[in-house]
Formats: sequence, C-alpha cells, structure tokens
Amino acid sequence: DAGVIQSPRHEVTEMGQEVTLRCKPISGHNSLFWYRQTMMRGLELLIYFNNNVPIDDSGMPEDRFSAKMPNASFSTLKIQPSEPRDSAVYFCASSQGPSDTQYFGPGTRLTVL
Amino acid sequence: GEDVEQSLFLSVREGDSSVINCTYTDSSSTYLYWYKQEPGAGLQLLTYIFSNMDMKQDQRLTVLLNKKDKHLSLRIADTQTGDSAIYFCAERWMDSSYKLIFGSGTRLLVRP
Repeated sequence: DAGVIQSPRHEVTEMGQEVTLRCKPISGHNSLFWYRQTMMRGLELLIYFNNNVPIDDSGMPEDRFSAKMPNASFSTLKIQPSEPRDSAVYFCASSQGPSDTQYFGPGTRLTVL
Repeated sequence: GEDVEQSLFLSVREGDSSVINCTYTDSSSTYLYWYKQEPGAGLQLLTYIFSNMDMKQDQRLTVLLNKKDKHLSLRIADTQTGDSAIYFCAERWMDSSYKLIFGSGTRLLVRP
C-alpha cells in the first residue's frame, strides 16, 4: 500500500515567492496533520484536519501560512510570501482517526533564499 | 515540565545493545511512541506502548515504561549499522487526543 505521498520532495525558492506543498494521505485515513521540522524548534504541529475540516490551526506561524483540504485525498500548505526563516522540512501525516497512530510522509525540504 | 526530553546523541558498536531514553511530561498520557528518522527521510513508526503496559517487545526492540518516573526507553538488541538514525519519542496527551508531543530526537551512531 502507498504511504503518505508528498510533493515536491525538495523546493528551492527566493524570498517573496509563493510556495505550495502537497500531500496525499493514506486512503481511508480521516485525519491529516502538517508538521514543520527545524533544528531549533524540532517538530511542530502546524495544523490538523479531521474529515477535511481544519480543527486546530493554532500552530500556523502567521497569516503567510494557509492550508486547505478540498477532499479526503488531497491537502495543500501554502506560504505566501515566503521568507528565509520558513526554510525547514515540512511533513504531512495521516491517521485513521484523531487518536490513531500517525503515519508520516517523506517530507518536503524547503529552502528559501 | 512542558518538554519531552531525550539525550542528543548515542554511539554504540555494531552488535551491542542500544538504549535510548526519554522523559515525558504527562503521567496521564495514553500512548507513547517511538519513531525513527533516517537521513533525508520521513518519520517511520517503530513501535508504541499503551500507558497501562510496562513493557512491550517486538523482535529486536524492547520498550520499557516507568509511569511513576514518566520515563520511557527503547532498547535495540544486536544493533546494526542500518539502525543509525534519529529516534524520536512522542507522547499523546489524554486530554488532546490528536496531539503528539515530540522529543528533540536522539541521534544513534552505530560504529562498525
């Protein structure tokens, strides 16, 4: 079975540009999570969706960040405009339900120059 | 405290056992997890333990849970070079069923 799929795997962009990260959760999973991993702050939960509805976005750093889940098989995380401090690895994870085991995608390594 | 704490680094010789330790925050946490992250890869779930258990064994992996001290450990028997990675422990708080709190990770280096 395919796991969580993320694209792109690597993204290099210039400050001020819009960046869109994509995630396809495991089929049948109703909960989706976006995390950010940095050396300084470790793994941080950015936003959590359940049944395509954002439940907790308290981890979204600021208004430059937005996330959508238009259907059960697709989610995006957008940064507009991007800044160098957004450079990190962004992970998507999914689980069957909110309290079930989370399975992570391979991540997108974002570099903002 | 608010943080899940792990030591930063562990080096062992191939064939020896590795023990990675973690101190978590909430004695009412329901599940505790160990994830493995290889370079350039995502987090791979290794194993988990429910809070009413003291021990769980899965092939080369043994998880020990000390609820009184809020201490979790992962023992890897017969450590191999392929075990070199960063290991994260994570706790799930009982009052927030979806939220995982991760430690900062322990980098395991296995020397030939």
